Amino acid sequence: KNQVEQSPQSLIILEGKNCTLQCNYTVSPFSNLRWYKQDTGRGPVSLTIMTFSENTKSNGRYTATLDADTKQSSLHITASQLSDSASYICVVSDGDYKLSFGAGTTVTVRA
Amino acid sequence: GAGVSQSPRYKVAKRGQDVALRCDPISGHVSLFWYQQALGQGPEFLTYFQNEAQLDKSGLPSDRFFAERPEGSVSTLKIQRTQQEDSAVYLCASSHTIGGLAYEQYFGPGTRLTVT
Repeated sequence: KNQVEQSPQSLIILEGKNCTLQCNYTVSPFSNLRWYKQDTGRGPVSLTIMTFSENTKSNGRYTATLDADTKQSSLHITASQLSDSASYICVVSDGDYKLSFGAGTTVTVRA
Repeated sequence: GAGVSQSPRYKVAKRGQDVALRCDPISGHVSLFWYQQALGQGPEFLTYFQNEAQLDKSGLPSDRFFAERPEGSVSTLKIQRTQQEDSAVYLCASSHTIGGLAYEQYFGPGTRLTVT
């Protein structure tokens, strides 16, 4: 049973536009939530990590939000670039070493 | 310093063959993880090592899967008598510590296994 659900499954945007990815989770207890970027043929790379008390965190053009009450997170990409084309994976930790991964959202940025 | 490396990057095996996948973690990292990532899915946990001790192998799908890390550094994931459902990307990740907010896993590029 997948405890982390992401939407949309995929999206296509034009270079320079913004987009927002969604993540809903049921993992409990909750320790932290991470967003990873995974380029094709590469391993996931961490973008942001947020704990229960953090509502938002930015990493360059990437901004993640967290609502621990509704168990929702979003990743906003501003002024998209061709290099943003990748899969974005939402990952939730219950504080232990095991992580719960979403299936990812595949973003394609077109010129 | 180098990141996590994995070899081979691609492996094609005939059904029934044995395969061995290698992971070189970041030097000094205590924790090492193996994940299986099916096409279009997120990684699924397979097993966890703390130094040379395999503390959790609950994610290994069958007894055909075996992992070791004899000296607490390099790890090998072995799959015996491969089957088509074993086709996936196998990711290795390492971390300098366990637990707490400082915890972070650094992933290797993965080995794509295709069983024909």
